[in-house]
Amino acid sequence: AQSVTQPDIHITVSEGASLELRCNYSYGATPYLFWYVQSPGQGLQLLLKYFSGDTLVQGIKGFEAEFKRSQSSFNLRKPSVHWSDAAEYFCAVVPQGGSEKLVFGKGTKLTVNP
Amino acid sequence: DADVTQTPRNRITKTGKRIMLECSQTKGHDRMYWYRQDPGLGLRLIYYSFDVKDINKGEISDGYSVSRQAQAKFSLSLESAIPNQTALYFCATSGEGRYEQFFGPGTRLTVL
Repeated sequence: AQSVTQPDIHITVSEGASLELRCNYSYGATPYLFWYVQSPGQGLQLLLKYFSGDTLVQGIKGFEAEFKRSQSSFNLRKPSVHWSDAAEYFCAVVPQGGSEKLVFGKGTKLTVNP
Repeated sequence: DADVTQTPRNRITKTGKRIMLECSQTKGHDRMYWYRQDPGLGLRLIYYSFDVKDINKGEISDGYSVSRQAQAKFSLSLESAIPNQTALYFCATSGEGRYEQFFGPGTRLTVL
């Protein structure tokens, strides 16, 4: 079945540590790929997106993501986490050739310890 | 000013009441969406509209209806609210062929 999977429901890291949030998708053709962040009490903000081209994508707030076709993955990374990065992160896809609707993963909640 | 606004931001109501959540946008986008967010379930699409005359059901439309009053306005109604409609509701917009969506701040709805 077509799906977007975020295997980690909750991740805790220390401030200053590196971060990687995982996202895997299951679609016949590579979909368009997105990462959104939801800070407490806020709406969702787009961090970055991948449509084609360079597989390493830079986003806002110092985040980057790498598309790996062989692994059907689009993992989000940050070299050094700040306390303000504590939030919930959603991977989302728009399947190619579909109705242009976003399909979201269930989210990963990030806690940052001082 | 925010590009996508939602009113109200918080609402507590009782079972059986009719509720309307409103969304307005100043981004000039044709496409608008309503989602609900429940803990551990991510965001699920309720309804979407690709232009004023186009309304489509999403994956969880039962118990909800929508109205696209203008390009900039998209309202979500709960005709007879029930407790399992307690959730955080988001409106979003996108431009044609642009794929990325822009979200409002959300409406927290509690049905007692």
